[in-house]
Amino acid sequence: GQQLNQSPQSMFIQEGEDVSMNCTSSSIFNTWLWYKQDPGEGPVLLIALYKAGELTSNGRLTAQFGITRKDSFLNISASIPSDVGIYFCAGLTSGTYKYIFGTGTRLKVLA
Amino acid sequence: GAGVSQSPRYKVAKRGQDVALRCDPISGHVSLFWYQQALGQGPEFLTYFQNEAQLDKSGLPSDRFFAERPEGSVSTLKIQRTQQEDSAVYLCASSSRRSANTGELFFGEGSRLTVL
Repeated sequence: GQQLNQSPQSMFIQEGEDVSMNCTSSSIFNTWLWYKQDPGEGPVLLIALYKAGELTSNGRLTAQFGITRKDSFLNISASIPSDVGIYFCAGLTSGTYKYIFGTGTRLKVLA
Repeated sequence: GAGVSQSPRYKVAKRGQDVALRCDPISGHVSLFWYQQALGQGPEFLTYFQNEAQLDKSGLPSDRFFAERPEGSVSTLKIQRTQQEDSAVYLCASSSRRSANTGELFFGEGSRLTVL
């Protein structure tokens, strides 16, 4: 099935560093969601974006809805060990309800 | 309940067996989704319910997969004559929104199916 392209696929960072990841699509979306998934658990919603250009924060997390509506970005500031996990983006096309998920970015934080 | 609840959390089946996976969505949520997540991949859409109506089942991989939500609350995903390629985590999500183009999905912890 269709999946969005997320970059990078995985990354190791030092505790305290900032992290950036992105998600791109060939289709235009009108909603972007960002999730974090820990091993053996379901995805947990982090941030929802509904408008092109929108910048939304949730604690140390900031996400942006790309101007082209074909991409979205997630930044994590001052990473901590519990940020470890897989981050997924999900996009929704106007008039549909079928969220398309990305391939995931695996984050590992070195203490 | 407070969140989406799925059972069983883990299921091991012999090839050819039938399995049933249950989802109890957040109380009052109109929309319910089933997703399949293969190892190392993102979730992939299987089917969508609005109340008891199954509005989209285009993601079901074969006619061995069947989902129902008879009273618009609890949903069951049934897989008949399981095959090894059915091994995956099956995630259920619910949303409070009726409209198609908005709404946040809240996921359960998933049911991990292993077919031997």
